[in-house]
Amino acid sequence: AQTVTQSQPEMSVQEAETVTLSCTYDTSESDYYLFWYKQPPSRQMILVIRQEAYKQQNATENRFSVNFQKAAKSFSLKISDSQLGDAAMYFCALQETSGSRLTFGEGTQLTVNP
Amino acid sequence: DAGVTQSPTHLIKTRGQQVTLRCSPKSGHDTVSWYQQALGQGPQFIFQYYEEEERQRGNFPDRFSGHQFPNYSSELNVNALLLGDSALYLCASSLPGGEVWTEAFFGQGTRLTVV
Repeated sequence: AQTVTQSQPEMSVQEAETVTLSCTYDTSESDYYLFWYKQPPSRQMILVIRQEAYKQQNATENRFSVNFQKAAKSFSLKISDSQLGDAAMYFCALQETSGSRLTFGEGTQLTVNP
Repeated sequence: DAGVTQSPTHLIKTRGQQVTLRCSPKSGHDTVSWYQQALGQGPQFIFQYYEEEERQRGNFPDRFSGHQFPNYSSELNVNALLLGDSALYLCASSLPGGEVWTEAFFGQGTRLTVV
């Protein structure tokens, strides 16, 4: 069974600073996908960044980057130059094959202080 | 493109009643997945529909059932509602997947309150 764990229920960061959100996961597959989703108060899940397990290079999307440690089954999200609009609930998610179910962690509520 | 649309946005039902939630997928998408998100928790996978058939199912009782129509829209039905069914129900649409990764797009959800 696939599982995802986020051990930080809440995090806060000062505007323009950097913050890292942690995630660990478990799967028996060697190929899979990992994601970070953002859920603002509007409730709609928005994909922030994606990592394919077969790729050694860490994914980057503008101010968002990941640290993917396959052997340790660790997948952290770094947000640089934090902005007030980054405040939201962030979920780490695992997908074992393209198009299949997503397994989410419990979420980390990120607060950005001005 | 309207994206994924869900209706209604909010719903209040009494324990023991039945409820139907609706989802219209993003244009061009033929696969619909449903998730239950209890307050303060991550979404939990309920089931996925493709070609009008249930393709995958999560660990939910038979009280949860679904349907997909020929136009790819979908319904989630919950019978004999329990207080614990109170949650945000999210619908996600995508292409069926395969060799190339396909992104799942989410609707804004239906907030169900059971009293």
